Amino acid sequence: SQQGEEDPQALSIQEGENATMNCSYKTSINNLQWYRQNSGRGLVHLILIRSNEREKHSGRLRVTLDTSKKSSSLLITASRAADTASYFCATDASNAGNMLTFGGGTRLMVKP
Amino acid sequence: EPEVTQTPSHQVTQMGQEVILRCVPISNHLYFYWYRQILGQKVEFLVSFYNNEISEKSEIFDDQFSVERPDGSNFTLKIRSTKLEDSAMYFCASSPTGRYQPQHFGDGTRLSIL
Repeated sequence: SQQGEEDPQALSIQEGENATMNCSYKTSINNLQWYRQNSGRGLVHLILIRSNEREKHSGRLRVTLDTSKKSSSLLITASRAADTASYFCATDASNAGNMLTFGGGTRLMVKP
Repeated sequence: EPEVTQTPSHQVTQMGQEVILRCVPISNHLYFYWYRQILGQKVEFLVSFYNNEISEKSEIFDDQFSVERPDGSNFTLKIRSTKLEDSAMYFCASSPTGRYQPQHFGDGTRLSIL
């Protein structure tokens, strides 16, 4: 079955550094989305990239998508302590119901 | 900014009992979803709902589960005859339309089955 898998599973960086998280999946997709989750909270949508797009930016976030390699990356530039959270990629390959398949996530810790 | 709200935040239920988890999606959204996250595991899709009917469901969403939109604002997940393995965080989400739209998640209901 289709799965999103992130790597690394955990990442620890200093404030001001860039953080890169990668996601791989197995089947053709309609779009890929990145979400953030703070401990004990719900998922917050960060960015959506369609299958015919290769790169998208939103503020300090940059997402790339390589459908030939079935992979995506999320880059957070100039990280802040407040960016500490878990980050998940989710793929939509559904025909009708917009089902998202989530990866296991990357736990990012940004040290002040 | 509009939010998806879920109640209760924590539900403790005896095994075998029925439980109803409640959600108020964002008011102008048309698609509604339930996901669950067992502790330490991935977020898993359960069901999507549009135009008062299920549009997609996963293998997890068996006869034990049902969803309903009883009025213009609430969206509920009912679990009949709960099992220990139903213990998880249950997230409700909504989106304005379907494809190519972000899904907006609530903070979840932690369901503990004893």
